[in-house]
Amino acid sequence: GDSVTQMEGPVTLSEEAFLTINCTYTATGYPSLFWYVQYPGEGLQLLLKATKADDKGSNKGFEATYRKETTSFHLEKGSVQVSDSAVYFCALSKNNNDMRFGAGTRLTVKP
Amino acid sequence: DSGVTQTPKHLITATGQRVTLRCSPRSGDLSVYWYQQSLDQGLQFLIQYYNGEERAKGNILERFSAQQFPDLHSELNLSSLELGDSALYFCASSVQTYTGELFFGEGSRLTVL
Repeated sequence: GDSVTQMEGPVTLSEEAFLTINCTYTATGYPSLFWYVQYPGEGLQLLLKATKADDKGSNKGFEATYRKETTSFHLEKGSVQVSDSAVYFCALSKNNNDMRFGAGTRLTVKP
Repeated sequence: DSGVTQTPKHLITATGQRVTLRCSPRSGDLSVYWYQQSLDQGLQFLIQYYNGEERAKGNILERFSAQQFPDLHSELNLSSLELGDSALYFCASSVQTYTGELFFGEGSRLTVL
């Protein structure tokens, strides 16, 4: 079945470092891809999304490009801040009936 | 604030007991989803309702059940509770569109002692 695999954490970076969190997917058809973020004590919230191949989603300095040839949707940010410390989830959905999430990657940014 | 309201925020109960978790979706959203988040299993999809009808079922145990009412709020019932049921239970809602975004509540933390 459809699934998402993301890099295991935790990831610890210093402020202003470059961030990459890898995400690959397995799906038939043409899924939409998402990154959700969960800040401490809160629910998940959508960070960015891409609905077709070669689309780039971006928000708050984060970017991810839908790569069909490599079935990937890696999350990147050029300069992380302490406030970016959270758990990041990659997800896919084909018909909004069943959003499949990866295991989550915990990011800690130190000053 | 996502607009999705979950109650209670915290719940402590004993093994063998039964609890009900409640979710009010965002105004206008017809779909409600339930997820379980535990430390060792990540975010697991349990069940989805659309406008009162069950639409999709994931890894939901037979001891668990859910429903969506005419006013679109949803309840997740957990019975014969076990220690392993301790987790965060999230509700999410969405407009039923292909590229839809899920809006999550803050979760209900269940502790089974």
